[in-house]
Amino acid sequence: QQQVKQSPQSLIVQKGGISIINCAYENTAFDYFPWYQQFPGKGPALLIAIRPDVSEKKEGRFTISFNKSAKQFSLHIMDSQPGDSATYFCAASLPGNTPLVFGKGTRLSVIA
Amino acid sequence: ETGVTQTPRHLVMGMTNKKSLKCEQHLGHNAMYWYKQSAKKPLELMFVYNFKEQTENNSVPSRFSPECPNSSHLFLHLHTLQPEDSALYLCASSQGERGGTGELFFGEGSRLTVL
Repeated sequence: QQQVKQSPQSLIVQKGGISIINCAYENTAFDYFPWYQQFPGKGPALLIAIRPDVSEKKEGRFTISFNKSAKQFSLHIMDSQPGDSATYFCAASLPGNTPLVFGKGTRLSVIA
Repeated sequence: ETGVTQTPRHLVMGMTNKKSLKCEQHLGHNAMYWYKQSAKKPLELMFVYNFKEQTENNSVPSRFSPECPNSSHLFLHLHTLQPEDSALYLCASSQGERGGTGELFFGEGSRLTVL
């Protein structure tokens, strides 16, 4: 119940295309869903986050879509660029003093 | 310096060695974390400290021993490790213990290889 299942494990997208990464969870008590981006040799960094009271959040080319009934959320990267090539992690947390639970990560490669 | 700094960046040690990983945060945060990152696995939370007090130990073997002398510094002492402990060890900090409400700021990690 504490797991967050992320797919796909790896993704190759053409430059200018849309990258889509999906995550699913079981615990309906989760109330915070961030996405972290990690470049090689660096630590993960917060990219965008959403709470279940909204179905979508957009920041520039990055959009989180949240489906509460399906217990799924996804990251969409519009107009994908080679500079977006990185590993992306979804995560979730419960209310109160509980740390984040991370997915296994998706390695995105954007090719020209 | 800014952000979260980890040293050393790379470490190779034998199974009988004793070494330590160091983390320092310059963000004024009160919570610090150790995560283990292995290939094809989720980030594994190891330890959480809030205001220097350990608030979470995620069933980590005793060969890993954390130390938090103040809110800005965090150590991970290593002894008699196993080859399967080879991984990237990430330190993070946040304002507030719960990384969910407060953004987690990660260091660049210490790549550990156990021979």
